Amino acid sequence: SQQGEEDPQALSIQEGENATMNCSYKTSINNLQWYRQNSGRGLVHLILIRSNEREKHSGRLRVTLDTSKKSSSLLITASRAADTASYFCALDTGRRALTFGSGTRLQVQP
Amino acid sequence: EAEVAQSPRYKITEKSQAVAFWCDPISGHATLYWYRQILGQGPELLVQFQDESVVDDSQLPKDRFSAERLKGVDSTLKIQPAELGDSAMYLCASSSSTRQGDTQYFGPGTRLTVL
Repeated sequence: SQQGEEDPQALSIQEGENATMNCSYKTSINNLQWYRQNSGRGLVHLILIRSNEREKHSGRLRVTLDTSKKSSSLLITASRAADTASYFCALDTGRRALTFGSGTRLQVQP
Repeated sequence: EAEVAQSPRYKITEKSQAVAFWCDPISGHATLYWYRQILGQGPELLVQFQDESVVDDSQLPKDRFSAERLKGVDSTLKIQPAELGDSAMYLCASSSSTRQGDTQYFGPGTRLTVL
C-alpha cells in the first residue's frame, strides 16, 4: 500500500492538553505532509517535512519523521477547541500524486 | 487570499441522472486534481491535470466519469449515470508546482448525495 495509516483513528482531549497523532507507511517517500479538514470542508495544508529532515515546527505544530521506522508524528501543543478536525498524513512517493491516509479525528473539549 | 472555488457545494440527485461539478483553481496553478472522499476516509485521486492534459486518470471509472480542463484553467467533472455508491465529497485541489508531490490547495468540496 502506498498510503499512510494514521493512529489513533479518533482522539478526544481537553482544551490545553497536547494532541499526538501518528502516521506509518510502507514505501519510500520524498516528503510527508499533514493536512487538516474541518467537518464538511476541504483540506488545509499544515506542514511538509522532507525525507532528509527529522523535525519541523510551525507555530503550535511539531512534526517528526523517522524514515528508518517509516513513521511520522504530528504534535499539537496547548490544543484549542478550534483544533477539532480530522488530520491526514499524505505521502509523496514520487510515482504519482499525494496519497492520503484515513485520518485521525481529533475532538478538543472546551 | 486566493482560493480554489467549487460549485455547487451540495448536490442531491437520483440514480441514473447526470451530475456535473465545477472547479476554478488558484490563478496560475498549472496542476489540478479531482479527489473523491467517502465519509470517514481520506481523499482518493480520481484525475490529475497538467494544464489541459490528463496526467493520471488511472482511478477514474471511465465508464461513467469524465473530466475536462479545456483551456487549462477551470475544470468540470461529470458523472453519467450516477449510482448510489457515488455518494461522497468531491474535492478539487490545485498546485503551482508541476511536481506531483508538492503542496496542494483544496476547495471546499461538493457533497453529492445519490438517492
